[in-house]
Amino acid sequence: DGGITQSPKYLFRKEGQNVTLSCEQNLNHDAMYWYRQDPGQGLRLIYYSQIVNDFQKGDIAEGYSVSREKKESFPLTVTSAQKNPTAFYLCASSIGSYTDTQYFGPGTRLTVL
Amino acid sequence: EDKVVQSPLSLVVHEGDTVTLNCSYEVTNFRSLLWYKQEKKAPTFLFMLTSSGIEKKSGRLSSILDKKELFSILNITATQTGDSAIYLCALGSSNTGKLIFGQGTTLQVKP
Repeated sequence: DGGITQSPKYLFRKEGQNVTLSCEQNLNHDAMYWYRQDPGQGLRLIYYSQIVNDFQKGDIAEGYSVSREKKESFPLTVTSAQKNPTAFYLCASSIGSYTDTQYFGPGTRLTVL
Repeated sequence: EDKVVQSPLSLVVHEGDTVTLNCSYEVTNFRSLLWYKQEKKAPTFLFMLTSSGIEKKSGRLSSILDKKELFSILNITATQTGDSAIYLCALGSSNTGKLIFGQGTTLQVKP
């Protein structure tokens, strides 16, 4: 069954802690993306990667970091520098970086206590 | 700056009604406009539009693009409670390899 998986589904973090959200895809897609979704604000791009070992900042990269060591994996770390990390995080992938149809994972809801 | 604005932001209708959701945009180099439906978790792809005036249709849903007036509409006829969701509009630009999303329209269909 091809698709995108994200884990965990729910994550609770204490202030000052770093946490890593997992995103895996078996669609053989080259491009992967991380979005943050807050109520009333749609999706905002955090980071994206067009190819293995390369990634670019999106519109709200501050306080986040990523890696792309394997084609199928694109983990996102939410660092303690992110001032307001409570949000719903969505990972997506597309065949190529200029192929617009993106397919989304089920998301991770992060809550900072 | 490339921008996408959706309206209305929220909408409540009754089953059987027809709804029209709007998406207007500003872009330097247009490549495509996409619609997604989000029912609680992952947004699911509905349509991708690249040419003006050509309607895309899937069951009770249809969408059309006007590149001259810079907007798209998503129509849902004979709405059902299962249509309740957030509908997202996204813009693809030839300048970048990323999508720009609007704020979304939250649709609630009451029985």
